[in-house]
Amino acid sequence: DAGVTQSPTHLIKTRGQQVTLRCSPKSGHDTVSWYQQALGQGPQFIFQYYEEEERQRGNFPDRFSGHQFPNYSSELNVNALLLGDSALYLCASSLKTPGQAYTFGSGTRLTVV
Amino acid sequence: GNSVTQMEGPVTLSEEAFLTINCTYTATGYPSLFWYVQYPGEGLQLLLKATKADDKGSNKGFEATYRKETTSFHLEKGSVQVSDSAVYFCALSDRGNNRLAFGKGNQVVVIP
Repeated sequence: DAGVTQSPTHLIKTRGQQVTLRCSPKSGHDTVSWYQQALGQGPQFIFQYYEEEERQRGNFPDRFSGHQFPNYSSELNVNALLLGDSALYLCASSLKTPGQAYTFGSGTRLTVV
Repeated sequence: GNSVTQMEGPVTLSEEAFLTINCTYTATGYPSLFWYVQYPGEGLQLLLKATKADDKGSNKGFEATYRKETTSFHLEKGSVQVSDSAVYFCALSDRGNNRLAFGKGNQVVVIP
């Protein structure tokens, strides 16, 4: 049973550019969340998608946007990249039921130069 | 808002030593509590969880008990191995919104 898969694994972008990261959830999961993990820190919640709509959002600017497709896969888009956006971006999937454990992907390492 | 506090600093110990990592939380209501582990270059893996007061989560020799009176969820293992070297994150999920709030994590290094 495939877990959460993310692509690409590594990415280097220049300041001001735009980036799209992709995530396929674990089979049977319908909810996808995105987290940003800066070096040496715990993951920070960006947003969560369910039924193709953004249901919750953390404290991130509008430069961060997302999408969920009918097959539950998801994309994270970041516009006007800043050096501070360099981080590991983690996708996590779960069932909608509160309190369920998430399954995390291995992440996309984004470096902004 | 919800928050998780983990003890400061990395933890270095010898193989077969006893491991404790402290975790306390602040939350409204009755959150679910989790410990995740992150090996170098990888994402997070669920280690154990507890969903209500006095529950004990356990996995691979690790244990943690949900203590509502002290708002704590300390992680313990009686005899660590070199393969337990990783970063450990305590996290909570509010039943109302199902999103995770993480602590800063603790690097654990086990020396042979």
